[in-house]
Amino acid sequence: GEDVEQSLFLSVREGDSSVINCTYTDSSSTYLYWYKQEPGAGLQLLTYIFSNMDMKQDQRLTVLLNKKDKHLSLRIADTQTGDSAIYFCAGVSGGYNKLIFGAGTRLAVHP
Amino acid sequence: DTEVTQTPKHLVMGMTNKKSLKCEQHMGHRAMYWYKQKAKKPPELMFVYSYEKLSINESVPSRFSPECPNSSLLNLHLHALQPEDSALYLCASSQTGTSGNQETQYFGPGTRLLVL
Repeated sequence: GEDVEQSLFLSVREGDSSVINCTYTDSSSTYLYWYKQEPGAGLQLLTYIFSNMDMKQDQRLTVLLNKKDKHLSLRIADTQTGDSAIYFCAGVSGGYNKLIFGAGTRLAVHP
Repeated sequence: DTEVTQTPKHLVMGMTNKKSLKCEQHMGHRAMYWYKQKAKKPPELMFVYSYEKLSINESVPSRFSPECPNSSLLNLHLHALQPEDSALYLCASSQTGTSGNQETQYFGPGTRLLVL
């Protein structure tokens, strides 16, 4: 089955870029996702990338996908305090829509 | 509109109580999901409904009983829970939930459950 790994913590200065990394094992996922979870809240879909793309840009967000290395990253440009949250990467396992999440990366933005 | 709503926002219950969690979406989606998220952990799938039929049960104990009365509503009935069942319960929906067809899932805000 799918296994997804992420680094657990990232601290950046306000205005800098943040890069959150993720590795996965199962290449069958058609899409790979990034979800954001603020304290005490549900999951917000941030962006996703189709597996035959290697880059997707959406305003301040850039997703890079390296299929050969099974590596996914999320870059947030001009990081703001409102970006402080936990970021989960996710893919699907098997033939149905079972999302498998990484452990989540806690992003802390400081002045 | 990609909104999934859940009620209640918080719930405290004793081990002998019976309670229900509710989820609603008006996106015309035909698949709905329950996930459980323990503190400092990622969400884990519990159940999937597709076209109002239970399609996936991830070996969840019978003290959790899902129900899908129609395509917009999803309930999770709780009975005789244990303190270790305390968690954030998240509902999600997607277009059809058809096996073999990957779909983007949209999540609600969750119900934070505390079992005493």
